[in-house]
Amino acid sequence: DQQVKQNSPSLSVQEGRISILNCDYTNSMFDYFLWYKKYPAEGPTFLISISSIKDKNEDGRFTVFLNKSAKHLSLHIVPSQPGDSAVYFCAASRPGGSQGNLIFGKGTKLSVKP
Amino acid sequence: GAGVSQTPSNKVTEKGKYVELRCDPISGHTALYWYRQSLGQGPEFLIYFQGTGAADDSGLPNDRFFAVRPEGSVSTLKIQRTERGDSAVYLCASSFFGGNEQFFGPGTRLTVL
Repeated sequence: DQQVKQNSPSLSVQEGRISILNCDYTNSMFDYFLWYKKYPAEGPTFLISISSIKDKNEDGRFTVFLNKSAKHLSLHIVPSQPGDSAVYFCAASRPGGSQGNLIFGKGTKLSVKP
Repeated sequence: GAGVSQTPSNKVTEKGKYVELRCDPISGHTALYWYRQSLGQGPEFLIYFQGTGAADDSGLPNDRFFAVRPEGSVSTLKIQRTERGDSAVYLCASSFFGGNEQFFGPGTRLTVL
């Protein structure tokens, strides 16, 4: 059973608008969450992360929101740019961070149209 | 500085053969991870090294899969008696000890015919 779920396989957004990618998780023990971006034929690239003690983390055009009670997080990209077109993976980490593995969702393919 | 590198980038083999996949982590990173990504899926954890030792190998699917990291740097993932179902992209990642962010290599695409 999937512990990290990205229920939207794809999302299409117009350039300049906001992209919102969603992620749900089932394990309340997860204490750190990450978003990775992946282009074809490349490995995932770390984008932004959030600790469970926070509810928001912002880095430039990227903001991640965490709602622990709902076991839900979202990645906001604003404004969206064509270069943001990629597959975005949500990942969760058990307590201990790199002392354990990351559990990934299946990804959401974002297409930003000029 | 160089990122995580993986060789080969592509490997085609026949069912039943033995393959080795290599990962060279970021210098100074003590933690090293192997993941496997099948089509339409996210990366799935295989094994995690802290230094030379495997701290968690719970993701290895069966005893045909084995990984080593003898000097605490480069790691090799070894697959014996390959099966068609082993076809996937094998990703390696590394991180500092205690770091939450893992940095991935480009992966090795394994195709078993």
